[in-house]
Amino acid sequence: EDQVTQSPEALRLQEGESSSLNCSYTVSGLRGLFWYRQDPGKGPEFLFTLYSAGEEKEKERLKATLTKKESFLHITAPKPEDSATYLCAVQAGYSTLTFGKGTMLLVSP
Amino acid sequence: EAQVTQNPRYLITVTGKKLTVTCSQNMNHEYMSWYRQDPGLGLRQIYYSMNVEVTDKGDVPEGYKVSRKEKRNFPLILESPSPNQTSLYFCASSLSSKNTGELFFGEGSRLTVL
Repeated sequence: EDQVTQSPEALRLQEGESSSLNCSYTVSGLRGLFWYRQDPGKGPEFLFTLYSAGEEKEKERLKATLTKKESFLHITAPKPEDSATYLCAVQAGYSTLTFGKGTMLLVSP
Repeated sequence: EAQVTQNPRYLITVTGKKLTVTCSQNMNHEYMSWYRQDPGLGLRQIYYSMNVEVTDKGDVPEGYKVSRKEKRNFPLILESPSPNQTSLYFCASSLSSKNTGELFFGEGSRLTVL
């Protein structure tokens, strides 16, 4: 059974204080690992896809990396507008995603 | 504007009263899916559709039905809702059935079953 564990459950940062979110996974034959952002009362918004160990993707202050057992979402010099819940998901087959429970990030001014 | 539209956004109903949550996308996406999101459990897939007239069960399909008669629409049907179906429901779509991890989500439908 595919499993995704995200840590920490919640993270509070000061504006400008860089940090990382972790996504550990167990899957038989990883097809892709996906990061999403979810704002309160909204649907998740796709951020990144990572396919193989060593791959990295960047978007503004976010950088996602992948190893054979985990992925990190690095947030550099975060701003209050980066506050959201960040979800990680893995895919083994062609259809089903297994999501983690998310990390709730709060960035204070 | 590219979007996935769900209706209703909020609904309170009673046990056993059939209801349908509609989902429509305007992006000509091939793949569509329904998820429910519950505190402490995260997002779980209910049903998905690779294309018109092709649907299949996800992880938690019990108590739900779907149909895909047109490419743009993918309604979720609760024939006899029960309180354990109280949840936040999301419809999602992706361009290709070969790339179903990059999903475009709707705004969600919050359902309460009394």
